[in-house]
Amino acid sequence: KQEVTQIPAALSVPEGENLVLNCSFTDSAIYNLQWFRQDPGKGLTSLLLIQSSQREQTSGRLNASLDKSSGRSTLYIAASQPGDSATYLCAVSGGNTPLVFGKGTRLSVIA
Amino acid sequence: GAVVSQHPSWVICKSGTSVKIECRSLDFQATTMFWYRQFPKQSLMLMATSNEGSKATYEQGVEKDKFLINHASLTLSTLTVTSAHPEDSSFYICSAPDRRGNTEAFFGQGTRLTVV
Repeated sequence: KQEVTQIPAALSVPEGENLVLNCSFTDSAIYNLQWFRQDPGKGLTSLLLIQSSQREQTSGRLNASLDKSSGRSTLYIAASQPGDSATYLCAVSGGNTPLVFGKGTRLSVIA
Repeated sequence: GAVVSQHPSWVICKSGTSVKIECRSLDFQATTMFWYRQFPKQSLMLMATSNEGSKATYEQGVEKDKFLINHASLTLSTLTVTSAHPEDSSFYICSAPDRRGNTEAFFGQGTRLTVV
């Protein structure tokens, strides 16, 4: 059974810092991996999708990498801003199957 | 990108009543939709897989008689929480895979259910 772990559970950084969020999964036979953002009491916003054949994806200040063989992904946020404060969720899919989510990393960026 | 619309975004109901949550794919057909539940400070946990034209598949520990799922058309799946209790209070969210069924998942806005 696929399990997804995210470290750290919570993170507080001053504005402007670069930071890395970590995600690991137990079964490397994934189809893709997605990073989401969730604001308190809100739904999910998809940030980046990495297909299993890809190694990274970039969108603005966000960069996500995938090492499928070792079961790891990282989300890099450059020049963090207070507006980046949210919970970041990592999820993996086996292809036409529901996503398996990690518990998320709660990020606070202090102005 | 594809859009999944979920309604209502929040609902408060009395214990013992039933609540229906709708999940619609607005610009694509979804033969499969997934329903998740999220308790405070916990991750999203899959409850069931909704299949158009057939019975839903429930995850272990989810009561199918309590959480009724109907996927009557290619664009609509509904989740009905029957005889709701305070412990059913949670955040419910649906998703649908894209047309090809094997890449990006699109999520509804979620429904915050509070049972009093």
